[in-house]
Amino acid sequence: NAGVTQTPKFQVLKTGQSMTLQCAQDMNHNSMYWYRQDPGMGLRLIYYSASEGTTDKGEVPNGYNVSRLNKREFSLRLESAAPSQTSVYFCASSEAGGGNQPQHFGDGTRLSIL
Amino acid sequence: AQSVTQLGSHVSVSEGALVLLRCNYSSSVPPYLFWYVQYPNQGLQLLLKYTSAATLVKGINGFEAEFKKSETSFHLTKPSAHMSDAAEYFCAVTLNTGFQKLVFGTGTRLLVSP
Repeated sequence: NAGVTQTPKFQVLKTGQSMTLQCAQDMNHNSMYWYRQDPGMGLRLIYYSASEGTTDKGEVPNGYNVSRLNKREFSLRLESAAPSQTSVYFCASSEAGGGNQPQHFGDGTRLSIL
Repeated sequence: AQSVTQLGSHVSVSEGALVLLRCNYSSSVPPYLFWYVQYPNQGLQLLLKYTSAATLVKGINGFEAEFKKSETSFHLTKPSAHMSDAAEYFCAVTLNTGFQKLVFGTGTRLLVSP
């Protein structure tokens, strides 16, 4: 049982390059999320999708775009990477957006911007 | 807006000793509260959650947490630490009204010595 799958696991980019982080879940969850994790700052929400066809900004959306391709897939795009975007990125999903539903996380993408 | 504060970025215990990780929350309405654990190079896994049923919540791996409204706390405990408990632990809060996003604390790294 795969759960939430993120690709790639590691990536090194040069400043100004673009890339898309992929996320897919096989639990038939309605809601999906993208977070970034930085030392001493916990996880911060970048964007989320409450249901298929909707996306909304989270706490730190600047410099990112997202696409909810279908119910299973939710991608995060960096159009012009900056060193400040060096981080570990996590995708998560939940059965519904109600507050009592736990989120299930992927293993992360470790991204370095030089 | 809701928030959580985790006291102590690092906690060190000896194997067999009591584990106590502190979490205080701020919320204007009754919250849902979660503890997640993150092992190295992995995503977050749900340990336990409080959703307004019993105030003492039991989770996986022998962990439990008690919701104390008067103290706005949700501390995580385990009677006897094991080497395999070494990880980073995150407290998170959301509200029990409609679609809500998780807000994470900054995390506490638990170190277990033999």
